[in-house]
Amino acid sequence: QVQLQESGPGLVKPSQTLSLTCTVSGGSITSGNYYWSWIRQPAGKGLEWIGHIYTSGSTNYSPSFKSRATISVDTSKNQFSLMLTSVTAADTALYFCARDRRVEWISTFDYWGQGSLVTVSS
Amino acid sequence: DIQMTQSPSSLSASVGDRVTITCQASQDISSFLNWYQQKPGKPPNLLIYDASNFETGVPSRFSGSGSGTDFTFTISSLQPEDIATYYCQQYDSLPFTFGPGTKVD
Repeated sequence: QVQLQESGPGLVKPSQTLSLTCTVSGGSITSGNYYWSWIRQPAGKGLEWIGHIYTSGSTNYSPSFKSRATISVDTSKNQFSLMLTSVTAADTALYFCARDRRVEWISTFDYWGQGSLVTVSS
Repeated sequence: DIQMTQSPSSLSASVGDRVTITCQASQDISSFLNWYQQKPGKPPNLLIYDASNFETGVPSRFSGSGSGTDFTFTISSLQPEDIATYYCQQYDSLPFTFGPGTKVD
C-alpha cells in the first residue's frame, strides 16, 4: 500500500520561502508511470494544483505559481519536495502531496498525503 | 486555464435520496474528468475517473456521466457516510483545475 507523508515547518514568515517534503513509502518513486504533484487548499476553500514532477526530473507548474514554485525529487530518499518563494498570507493553506497515476490517456490523483498546514504570519 | 464550475454549491438531502451534481468546463475536455470526495480533515478520495469509470472499491451507488463540457455526478441512494464535499477535476490540459466543490449535507 503506497503512502505519502508531507513534512515541513508549519509557520513561515512573509517574504520567506516555504519548503515541504513528501516521503513516499510502500513503493519506489521511480517505478511505474507516475507524476508526483503538490496541491493546496486554503481553509474552507477548494483545491489548487501547484505543479508536478516526473522521476526523470521533468516538471510542470501552474502559471499561478510558475515564477515562485520549484519541485524537485530525491530518488535516493524516495522523496519529492516543494519550495515556494516570497510567500504572503494568501499562501496560508493545507498543502497536499499526491500521486498522479497515468494509464494510457487517463490521469488520476489516486494516493494523497494527509496534508501539511502551513501558516504565513510574522 | 480551463475553468470548472459546479452546481449547486451545496445541497441538503436525506438518507435514500438521489443526489445529482453538475460540473461544467469552460471548453471541450472530452471525457478527461475525475470526481473526488473529501471529508473534513481528510484528503480527497478518487471516486470516478475518465468521466464515468469507477475507481476500485467505490460503491456502485456513485456514478458519473457526460463528455465535452457538461458532466453529471450522481449518488443513487444517499448514505450517511456520503456526507462530504465533492469536486470535479479536469486533466485535459495543464494546469489541472478543480471545480469549487459541492457540499452535501
